[in-house]
Amino acid sequence: SQTIHQWPATLVQPVGSPLSLECTVEGTSNPNLYWYRQAAGRGLQLLFYSVGIGQISSEVPQNLSASRPQDRQFILSSKKLLLSDSGFYLCAWSRPGEETQYFGPGTRLLVL
Amino acid sequence: DQQVKQNSPSLSVQEGRISILNCDYTNSMFDYFLWYKKYPAEGPTFLISISSIKDKNEDGRFTVFLNKSAKHLSLHIVPSQPGDSAVYFCAAVSDSSYKLIFGSGTRLLVRP
Repeated sequence: SQTIHQWPATLVQPVGSPLSLECTVEGTSNPNLYWYRQAAGRGLQLLFYSVGIGQISSEVPQNLSASRPQDRQFILSSKKLLLSDSGFYLCAWSRPGEETQYFGPGTRLLVL
Repeated sequence: DQQVKQNSPSLSVQEGRISILNCDYTNSMFDYFLWYKKYPAEGPTFLISISSIKDKNEDGRFTVFLNKSAKHLSLHIVPSQPGDSAVYFCAAVSDSSYKLIFGSGTRLLVRP
């Protein structure tokens, strides 16, 4: 069976500090991978998606970036965090050609 | 411009009764629709989906209805249980896109 992991679960970071959130998927090959953010009281907003190693599409211009160094690894980064980057970050995966996405447990980020 | 709308932010239902969660969309290119359930501080869990070639899909206590002419879908939960208390998101996607468009969610409370 497939599983998706995210870490850390919770992160408190000062403004201006860097960020690295990691997501890994097990039990599948060549998945599509996604990063979402859920701000407080809001829906889920797609930030990035990837259909393969090194292939990243950005949905929303911002100070975040994503990378996919390995087939089942997806990383969300920032060089300098802003207060507005606080939120709940979710990684998801889907099988190529399929619509259903499966989400990880999420990382709660608080920027102070 | 919200392409997927969940106009009821919350819903309260007695245990054993039916819960009906509604979702409206504006983009006629959407051809696949999904419902997710989310507990606080956790990732969304996929519940049920429906293709635009159908008007109903059933899985146990969960049934999704699609009315394409009205651009409306609904999730019925029968009978409702206290463990169903969570936030429910509907999402839509078109065949030409990887991007799930989420509604803002409806918080369901099932009272014992």
